[in-house]
Amino acid sequence: GQQVMQIPQYQHVQEGEDFTTYCNSSTTLSNIQWYKQRPGGHPVFLIQLVKSGEVKKQKRLTFQFGEAKKNSSLHITATQTTDVGTYFCAGPDSNYQLIWGAGTKLIIKP
Amino acid sequence: NAGVMQNPRHLVRRRGQEARLRCSPMKGHSHVYWYRQLPEEGLKFMVYLQKENIIDESGMPKERFSAEFPKEGPSILRIQQVVRGDSAAYFCASSPQTRGRSDTQYFGPGTRLTVL
Repeated sequence: GQQVMQIPQYQHVQEGEDFTTYCNSSTTLSNIQWYKQRPGGHPVFLIQLVKSGEVKKQKRLTFQFGEAKKNSSLHITATQTTDVGTYFCAGPDSNYQLIWGAGTKLIIKP
Repeated sequence: NAGVMQNPRHLVRRRGQEARLRCSPMKGHSHVYWYRQLPEEGLKFMVYLQKENIIDESGMPKERFSAEFPKEGPSILRIQQVVRGDSAAYFCASSPQTRGRSDTQYFGPGTRLTVL
């Protein structure tokens, strides 16, 4: 079946460093969604990308959707403690069911 | 506009008891999804429901687990004869009736189930 792979599983950064998580689908996606889950919290929708090659920005967060619509990335510039959490990507399969990546956990080193 | 409501937020059960988790979707949303999340792990899809219909239960164990979304009232996820391995966070999400399951999903705060 369709799979959505997300790497890395964990990323440790110093506060102020950048962070990137990558999402790869085994099939072309009609759209890709990104969610953030704070520790002890629930997933919260961040953004949806629909167009091939699309790039969207939310303050220090930059989201990209690949030209082939099979991969996506989330880049955070100059991380802050408020960025801590797990970032999930999700894309619909042929039945429109969302297939979720395993998430990338952002950890700020003390 | 109230978000997705789940209750209880925390539930403690002894092995063999029943756990009943409730979810009220956002106003105007007719699609409900249930997910399970073990500590330090990702979201595992369990079941997708619309009012009075189970659309996809491929992620839900065939035994002891059941879900419903009646015409009136919240969606219920029911776990019978709980075992320690059922301890997890159970999240409910809802989406509006537009493009189907690829719609943005709005999550509730979750129910943390602990089985003693």
